[in-house]
Amino acid sequence: QSALTQPASVSGSPGQSITISCTGTSSDVGGFNYVSWYQQHPGKAPQLMIYDVSDRPSGVSYRFSGSKSGNTASLTISGLQTEDEADYYCSSFTSSSTVLFGGGTKLTVL
Amino acid sequence: EVQLVESGGGLIQPGGSLRLSCATSGFTFSRFWMHWVRQAPGEGLVWVSRINTDGRTTNYADSVKGRFTISRDNAKNTLYLQMNSLRAEDTAMYFCAGRGDSTWLDSWGQGTPVTVSS
Repeated sequence: QSALTQPASVSGSPGQSITISCTGTSSDVGGFNYVSWYQQHPGKAPQLMIYDVSDRPSGVSYRFSGSKSGNTASLTISGLQTEDEADYYCSSFTSSSTVLFGGGTKLTVL
Repeated sequence: EVQLVESGGGLIQPGGSLRLSCATSGFTFSRFWMHWVRQAPGEGLVWVSRINTDGRTTNYADSVKGRFTISRDNAKNTLYLQMNSLRAEDTAMYFCAGRGDSTWLDSWGQGTPVTVSS
């Protein structure tokens, strides 16, 4: 199964907002409200940022929000901070009862 | 404190087998689905497998189906991944993750590296 489609990179300045898209199909992103997002800093384990499309785990900043429309999910980070610079991955449950990750997006805070 | 600690990785020849373990603490292991996720050097995350709370339901990525087996011992709070018929493309850091739901991964270990090479 092919990975969900994410832009390879996005960038923004401190204080700005950015959005990362995650496009799948009706068999994954579009078919279930089970999209999650992970942040990974170099050499570190991933950290859950959003689950079930738009829910935020305790301890995750309110600046991170998620949404979905059709087969595309989005992660928005508002008020960009330098520590937000990292790789971001979306994932979705699929109709095959598996989990599928996106290819990842490198966020650069200029 | 929630902890997931993977072990068992290493250098293995193509066609060989390895068994990864993930020792957990700080949460009620038996209540949660658990997953394995891998990441090849310089590449993205790839989901490998998941297992439900009592071990009776398992799912696998197509790339490992028939070669890898996920299991758990709730008495030992430990997750396993038996990897057989290993290929060069299985080379990756293997992460144990879970404590979320069947579809999202709240806590992650630091990973154990697997290198398949002759």
